[in-house]
Amino acid sequence: SQTIHQWPATLVQPVGSPLSLECTVEGTSNPNLYWYRQAAGRGLQLLFYSVGIGQISSEVPQNLSASRPQDRQFILSSKKLLLSDSGFYLCAWSGRGREEKLFFGSGTQLSVL
Amino acid sequence: AQSVTQPDIHITVSEGASLELRCNYSYGATPYLFWYVQSPGQGLQLLLKYFSGDTLVQGIKGFEAEFKRSQSSFNLRKPSVHWSDAAEYFCAVGELNFGNEKLTFGTGTRLTIIP
Repeated sequence: SQTIHQWPATLVQPVGSPLSLECTVEGTSNPNLYWYRQAAGRGLQLLFYSVGIGQISSEVPQNLSASRPQDRQFILSSKKLLLSDSGFYLCAWSGRGREEKLFFGSGTQLSVL
Repeated sequence: AQSVTQPDIHITVSEGASLELRCNYSYGATPYLFWYVQSPGQGLQLLLKYFSGDTLVQGIKGFEAEFKRSQSSFNLRKPSVHWSDAAEYFCAVGELNFGNEKLTFGTGTRLTIIP
């Protein structure tokens, strides 16, 4: 069966420090991968999605970047965190079809202080 | 572009009572519609989805939702809630002919269950 791992679960970082959140998927190949951010009272906002290795699409301009060095690995990064980067970050994967559902990781609560 | 409105930020119901969570969408064509549930500190899990066909959709955990085109709504219902249903519920709308990269989520409704 497919599983998705996301870590760390919580992270407290000072402003200006770098960030690296990792997400890996097991039990499937060629998944579509997604990074979402969830801010209080604002629902989920799609940050990045990827349809293949090295292929990253960004949905909103921001201080963050994403990379997909391997088929089932998706990394969210920042060189210098801002206070506004605080939030709950969710990684997700889905199959390739239009009607494929999203499978979410358990999330990372990031606090930038 | 599509949009989703969940007008109720927080709902409290008694265990065993019926539940209806509201969702209204804005989209020019027939939408793809979803309900996801998020337990505290966790990711989201799909409850049910509507793509076409029967407008009453059955999901997991005893939930159902009805697509009403005339009202642009996709309300989630459950006849009798259980304490384990306490969570945050998100409605989402997708665009025809696109995948999850075009999925728009609502702001969520937090459900509290009282004994």
